[in-house]
Amino acid sequence: GAVVSQHPSWVICKSGTSVKIECRSLDFQATTMFWYRQFPKQSLMLMATSNEGSKATYEQGVEKDKFLINHASLTLSTLTVTSAHPEDSSFYICSAIQGGSGNTIYFGEGSWLTVV
Amino acid sequence: GNSVTQMEGPVTLSEEAFLTINCTYTATGYPSLFWYVQYPGEGLQLLLKATKADDKGSNKGFEATYRKETTSFHLEKGSVQVSDSAVYFCALYLMDSSYKLIFGSGTRLLVRP
Repeated sequence: GAVVSQHPSWVICKSGTSVKIECRSLDFQATTMFWYRQFPKQSLMLMATSNEGSKATYEQGVEKDKFLINHASLTLSTLTVTSAHPEDSSFYICSAIQGGSGNTIYFGEGSWLTVV
Repeated sequence: GNSVTQMEGPVTLSEEAFLTINCTYTATGYPSLFWYVQYPGEGLQLLLKATKADDKGSNKGFEATYRKETTSFHLEKGSVQVSDSAVYFCALYLMDSSYKLIFGSGTRLLVRP
């Protein structure tokens, strides 16, 4: 099946620094990708919808200046957490739509971010 | 609005027991329905899907039937294994302008030997 890969899987950064997480669709082109955040033992919270070549659409309550999303190509979207703080520590998951297969959505493996 | 409601967990079963995890939805339109599974420390994996009414999705012994009349997509498995212990998410997807995937809250399954 289709594969979506995230990198890095684990990252620890110091408070105040920025960290970038990549999401790649390895064997298909994805015009739309999504970024989710998951708190421990909770469901996924949609942060933003990323469309290739245009600005991301952020969900209500998500700071777009803090969570920068770039979808530069049909196979790559990036999430940059700027000026990270400990409360940004979370599990971030991306997903991509594979068209032509009933528009199935595939997820990346997720990235654990710990801000110390 | 659009939403997904799952039964609360955790669900604790003995190995080889029958599993049902209930999922109902509310949608303005005709959604596709999905079950995703998340194993400890991992991301989400697509388990099965159904794109129209009366479709049955199946994978790895799990099944779910898209019931439009009851707006449900219950997940079932005839005989669970310890390796099935995970969190299961029901989700709907509407092909409207937002292309959002809306998740239920997740149901944790724990299978004991």
